[in-house]
Parts: sequence; C-alpha cells; structure tokens
Amino acid sequence: AQSVTQLDSHVSVSEGTPVLLRCNYSSSYSPSLFWYVQHPNKGLQLLLKYTSAATLVKGINGFEAEFKKSETSFHLTKPSAHMSDAAEYFCVVSDLGTASKLTFGTGTRLQVTL
Amino acid sequence: EAGVAQSPRYKIIEKRQSVAFWCNPISGHATLYWYQQILGQGPKLLIQFQNNGVVDDSQLPKDRFSAERLKGVDSTLKIQPAKLEDSAVYLCASSFGASGRYEQYFGPGTRLTVT
Repeated sequence: AQSVTQLDSHVSVSEGTPVLLRCNYSSSYSPSLFWYVQHPNKGLQLLLKYTSAATLVKGINGFEAEFKKSETSFHLTKPSAHMSDAAEYFCVVSDLGTASKLTFGTGTRLQVTL
Repeated sequence: EAGVAQSPRYKIIEKRQSVAFWCNPISGHATLYWYQQILGQGPKLLIQFQNNGVVDDSQLPKDRFSAERLKGVDSTLKIQPAKLEDSAVYLCASSFGASGRYEQYFGPGTRLTVT
C-alpha cells in the first residue's frame, strides 16, 4: 500500500523568505514521488518528480525537493518565495507496482505575504 | 498544444438527480483518469482507462457512478442518483501511457454541488 502525509495543512511565509513544505511517504515498492501545484480555479500542474534517479530534484519556478529514503521524506523547498507561489501544493506517490496510480496527500496551502 | 478540456465547469443539482461530465484528453494520450476531489482533501482516483478499456475502477462507487470512453478518446462520467456527499470537484487527467514515468496532465475540473 502507498500513502503520503503532508505534515502542514497551511504554511505562511513572507515574500523573499524560504519555503519548506513537508511530506513523508509510505510505499511497498520503489516509489515515484511528485509535487503538484493547484492555483485557484486552475488545473493541477506538475512541479517536479522523482523516479529513482538523482535524489535532489529540480522543478519549475525555482522549486526543488530531496528524496531521503532513510527518513521516507520528500520535502519541497524554494529559496525565495514569490507572491505568485501562493497556491495549494500536493505531495503524491506512485508505486512501481501500481503502474501510474497516483495517491495524493491532503495538501498544504501556501500563503505568501508582503 | 491544447490541454485537457472538461465541461461543464460548474453544476448544481438536487439529490437523487443525475448528472454527466465530459472530458476531452490531450490528443494522442492513451490513458485517461477521473479523480474526485472533495473540499479539503487531495484528489482520489475513481477510474483509469487505457484506450477504451478499464484498467482500474476499484474506487468507483459502481451502484451510482459509471464512466465510458468510447473510441478511446473522449470520456463521460455519470452519477445517478446523486447524493449530498458527491459534492466535489471532478478532475479529468490524461497521459501518453500508463507507466508512472509519463506525466499526467489535468483539466480544470467540474465543480459539482448537490443540494
């Protein structure tokens, strides 16, 4: 069975400060891990994905995430937040054993203030 | 390239009524997914098609939900009869193939309110 736990339902940062969104996963197989972003009234967009290559994954808009097997974590970071980063972020896991079936976390709402 | 199209964008119905949602995937994408996203939760897979065949419908409430993908392109998701707990955003996604290495592209969703 596969699952993800997003440790914070809401994160608030000031513009220009670092962003950290935390995610822990559980997987019976070698997992693929993803971060998706959802802006209001827009579709989900893939930020980045880990599929057993480099453990530090770089995505779009300056985001990156590090796969840590020993900690079963896949935290999302960005050095400097921008107002346009305000959105809902989902950590997602997919087991190789379940083909492309994605299991989503409950989401973290990122608020960026001036 | 054009993205995943869904219609309608919003729908309000009374309980026990029926409703249908339509999805047009990205051209050439063989795999199509329907997800249900209840407010405050992450999307949950309802059904996955590979071309016009069902790959996974284990979480589809088959007593009231049905889906089809005729000719392996467009798809419709139907609810009959609707219940209050069906209020959610219904997301359609498509990918080039069923392997996890293929990115899933999501449509804007249909927001359903059941009163």
